[in-house]
Amino acid sequence: DAMVIQNPRYQVTQFGKPVTLSCSQTLNHNVMYWYQQKSSQAPKLLFHYYDKDFNNEADTPDNFQSRRPNTSFCFLDIRSPGLGDAAMYLCATSRDKGIGKNIQYFGAGTRLSVL
Amino acid sequence: DQQVKQNSPSLSVQEGRISILNCDYTNSMFDYFLWYKKYPAEGPTFLISISSIKDKNEDGRFTVFLNKSAKHLSLHIVPSQPGDSAVYFCAASYAYSGAGSYQLTFGKGTKLSVIP
Repeated sequence: DAMVIQNPRYQVTQFGKPVTLSCSQTLNHNVMYWYQQKSSQAPKLLFHYYDKDFNNEADTPDNFQSRRPNTSFCFLDIRSPGLGDAAMYLCATSRDKGIGKNIQYFGAGTRLSVL
Repeated sequence: DQQVKQNSPSLSVQEGRISILNCDYTNSMFDYFLWYKKYPAEGPTFLISISSIKDKNEDGRFTVFLNKSAKHLSLHIVPSQPGDSAVYFCAASYAYSGAGSYQLTFGKGTKLSVIP
């Protein structure tokens, strides 16, 4: 089945220790997104790629970076995790832009804990 | 400033009855709306959508109603089943000039519990 896969499902890191979360997709979608979701909050878009074109949200901290080496894979790098970065991180894809084409398909998420 | 609001954090409904989940938005530029369902330990799953040119869209037991003048949409589930118990997120998007629409703005979600 075509899908969006996130690894690992659970990640524990230490305060200040860099961590990388990974996302892969078999949908061959053009757009990939990273969201941060804290408890009882709405998912918050961090950035997205349209093909190789990177788009950062204005309020995304510099601590968060992303890489998309090819269509299938996208990585979220947190350079120096703080306690406030503990959250669920969701990866999503959409076929394209435009009304009806931007239905997003989500992975199961990676829950990040910072000790 | 929340542009998409789901004011009810939770809702309990008896099996077989109607579930009505509500969503309000403030940005009049939104023109495409989606509902997602999320089970614990899973990512959100797309459920149903509606364009601003319509006021109703139906898919099986799920119907979404849009009232543009009130900036309000609702999701109706009839009849409700225990398997519908999940968190439901409302999301909205709008077309960027020359770029198409892709970004979704989500509400905080409503946890629906369907009691057998």
